[in-house]
Amino acid sequence: DGGITQSPKYLFRKEGQNVTLSCEQNLNHDAMYWYRQDPGQGLRLIYYSQIVNDFQKGDIAEGYSVSREKKESFPLTVTSAQKNPTAFYLCASSRADGYTFGSGTRLTVV
Amino acid sequence: KQEVTQIPAALSVPEGENLVLNCSFTDSAIYNLQWFRQDPGKGLTSLLLIQSSQREQTSGRLNASLDKSSGRSTLYIAASQPGDSATYLCAVRHESGSRLTFGEGTQLTVNP
Repeated sequence: DGGITQSPKYLFRKEGQNVTLSCEQNLNHDAMYWYRQDPGQGLRLIYYSQIVNDFQKGDIAEGYSVSREKKESFPLTVTSAQKNPTAFYLCASSRADGYTFGSGTRLTVV
Repeated sequence: KQEVTQIPAALSVPEGENLVLNCSFTDSAIYNLQWFRQDPGKGLTSLLLIQSSQREQTSGRLNASLDKSSGRSTLYIAASQPGDSATYLCAVRHESGSRLTFGEGTQLTVNP
């Protein structure tokens, strides 16, 4: 079945450490996205990519980085510059008939 | 800038009731509108997608309507069940791009 796979499901980060969240899709979608979700807040867009080797900042890109070397993959790195990284991270892909989301990664700073 | 508002923020109903969730958006230049369901700690599951040229979409007990000119959409759930308990999110995609703007959701609890 086609879908989006996010890994790991849970991730713990030490202060000052960079971590990378994985997102893979087999839907043959061109566009991919990373959202952050905090309790009591809506989803906020971090980065998005409309095509391989191209990506744009969303509303809260500071402290994050991405790459899009393959159509299927859109990894997100949470850098040490992100001061409050504890959140639920959702990856998505889209085409004209709508968005599909992964199951999310919960990142916690320890 | 597009803003999406969902009312109510939370709703608790007894099993079997029909209910309506509301979504409003400020910019009517939308490409489509999508309703999602989110269970605690999980990702988003797409329920219904309405293109800007459409007035409504139906799937089982769910019916979503769209009034683009007034900036409103409703999600109607018939004969609610405890398994419908979740957060329901509305999101709009602008005509000029692929980004979605989300509302903050309605948390629904259906009591047995």
